[in-house]
Amino acid sequence: GAGVSQSPRYKVAKRGQDVALRCDPISGHVSLFWYQQALGQGPEFLTYFQNEAQLDKSGLPSDRFFAERPEGSVSTLKIQRTQQEDSAVYLCASSLYADSYGYTFGSGTRLTVV
Amino acid sequence: AQTVTQSQPEMSVQEAETVTLSCTYDTSESDYYLFWYKQPPSRQMILVIRQEAYKQQNATENRFSVNFQKAAKSFSLKISDSQLGDAAMYFCASSGAGSYQLTFGKGTKLSVIP
Repeated sequence: GAGVSQSPRYKVAKRGQDVALRCDPISGHVSLFWYQQALGQGPEFLTYFQNEAQLDKSGLPSDRFFAERPEGSVSTLKIQRTQQEDSAVYLCASSLYADSYGYTFGSGTRLTVV
Repeated sequence: AQTVTQSQPEMSVQEAETVTLSCTYDTSESDYYLFWYKQPPSRQMILVIRQEAYKQQNATENRFSVNFQKAAKSFSLKISDSQLGDAAMYFCASSGAGSYQLTFGKGTKLSVIP
């Protein structure tokens, strides 16, 4: 597609519920990134994929967070047993390169845990 | 490790006037990139301008230019002839050259007064 597509755009989850957030990167982009943006803050790195390989998951805040990209294109960020502190915008970005130079971001998913 | 500081939570500018947004950073990298991103209400992070640290010449993109002071670790964004569409959150970010991870500041909310 022409850009990075994320769905859903908004998600409201009850505390304790599992959620799955989808990212569809630009076709041909080998690198995919997830960032978490809390209210009033800048985005913070969560994880990085190169094709289907998850090369860095150092930013995932807890073992309730899990990301996958099984075929090297679409990625899913899953959050198990959601907590209120998980409320944030989750941004996905893709890049043709393996560095920060050519990121294209999606419009994010706003997750609200009630 | 990288840190990025934006000391102006909010700024306003009259339409057609010029405004400067401030950013300071710290890094242990010998070579690095600096970025300004715009985030409108649509939430998509849009790249405004980027600067390679090894280049002494300040980057320019149409109405947007930077003042890169490497010794002072300062990277300010100047917007000339401000337009209503420039109203958004602006984030300063840094990355080690060849690194895939962006470090963002907390952002500056820019309002444009008609």
